[in-house]
Amino acid sequence: GAVVSQHPSRVICKSGTSVKIECRSLDFQATTMFWYRQFPKQSLMLMATSNEGSKATYEQGVEKDKFLINHASLTLSTLTVTSAHPEDSSFYICSARDSSGGGYEQFFGPGTRLTVL
Amino acid sequence: QQQVKQSPQSLIVQKGGISIINCAYENTAFDYFPWYQQFPGKGPALLIAIRPDVSEKKEGRFTISFNKSAKQFSLHIMDSQPGDSATYFCAASIRSRLTFGEGTQLTVNP
Repeated sequence: GAVVSQHPSRVICKSGTSVKIECRSLDFQATTMFWYRQFPKQSLMLMATSNEGSKATYEQGVEKDKFLINHASLTLSTLTVTSAHPEDSSFYICSARDSSGGGYEQFFGPGTRLTVL
Repeated sequence: QQQVKQSPQSLIVQKGGISIINCAYENTAFDYFPWYQQFPGKGPALLIAIRPDVSEKKEGRFTISFNKSAKQFSLHIMDSQPGDSATYFCAASIRSRLTFGEGTQLTVNP
């Protein structure tokens, strides 16, 4: 089946540092990947849509200079949280669409727990 | 108009019972309606999904009922098991952009 991995699974950093999260589609190519944020006991909120070879599309209210997205290949998208602060602590989840299938299904990664001290 | 409203917020069911979760949407441009299951600390996993041209879809113990005119859809889990205890999210999609419901915490008692 289609598998999406994320690395790291957990990260703890000091306020003001930058953190990079990787999202990989392991057995399929994904021209489009999505980044979500989920606070405790809450739903998933779409942050941005990542398109291979082009700029990401950010949802309203998401700071593009703070959450840098790079989708440099058909199997890898990265999210960099720049100058992280405690309020950025959250569960970050990526998903990917299989480019070949033409279907609607998104395959989700296992998530990355970010804690900013 | 992009919201998807989900109820109930929490649900407790006895083993073997039927779990029913409901969702409603406003935007008629939504073209794909999936349901996800999420365990604590994990990413969501697709359970079952439906397109708006179908009124019902069944896969194993899971059934989606879709009412296009009422702009509502629901998930039925038959013969609920303790292993089904998780958070369930409905979602709706336009051009692959998913909008999630608020989630339902399901507890199935043994």
